[in-house]
Amino acid sequence: EVQLVESGGGLVEPGGSLKLSCAASGFIFHDYAMSWVRLVPGKGLEWVSSITWSGGGTGYADSVKGRFTISRDNVKKSLYLQMNNLRPVDTALYYCVKQSYYDIFSAYSDHWGQGTLVTVSA
Amino acid sequence: QSALTQPPSASGSPGQSVTISCTGTSSDVGGYNYVSWYQHHPGKAPKLLIYDVFKRPSGVPGRFSGSKSDNTASLTVSWLQAEDEADYYCSCYAGGNSYVFGSGTKVTVL
Repeated sequence: EVQLVESGGGLVEPGGSLKLSCAASGFIFHDYAMSWVRLVPGKGLEWVSSITWSGGGTGYADSVKGRFTISRDNVKKSLYLQMNNLRPVDTALYYCVKQSYYDIFSAYSDHWGQGTLVTVSA
Repeated sequence: QSALTQPPSASGSPGQSVTISCTGTSSDVGGYNYVSWYQHHPGKAPKLLIYDVFKRPSGVPGRFSGSKSDNTASLTVSWLQAEDEADYYCSCYAGGNSYVFGSGTKVTVL
């Protein structure tokens, strides 16, 4: 059974940093691209970032480009999201998502974690 | 990377059908057959319903179907059941290693 367990969320002041982690199990982690998607309160789902199976390819939403960095450790079967210069609009529930394919192109999100809450407020 | 446009709400009585539209541009929905749909019950993880415009993962009932015409994709839920009451989101590959989600539609079963 695929399991994705996020951690690292919390309350942070504007301009601060957080690093999210996702522990994966139940599938061959290094065979699949992975993503972060957030659920913004009162708005909906927003794609944040994706990374290929090897980590050699990445993609970012314009709203986080230059501030967030996605990475993975295939030995530890873990996905990460380093978030810097956080803004109140980044407040959301952040989901770790398994993609259906090793590449970002053409993949869809077939398994989702339960999410970790990030709140950016003074 | 503008959100795909979905109607904010849709409703139907049990046994009826409801169709949700998802409108994008030639750079996303119109340019790729990589549209997927997700069902989200608040407090739970989103669930994949449809991928590649019309394909259903195993375990998803045949009551859920997808289609696409030009820049607009659609999800139809037939034979509405009480448990179908949820938020529904479309998503599409948008080029350059990026994706875009729809604005979301709240489906109410009357």
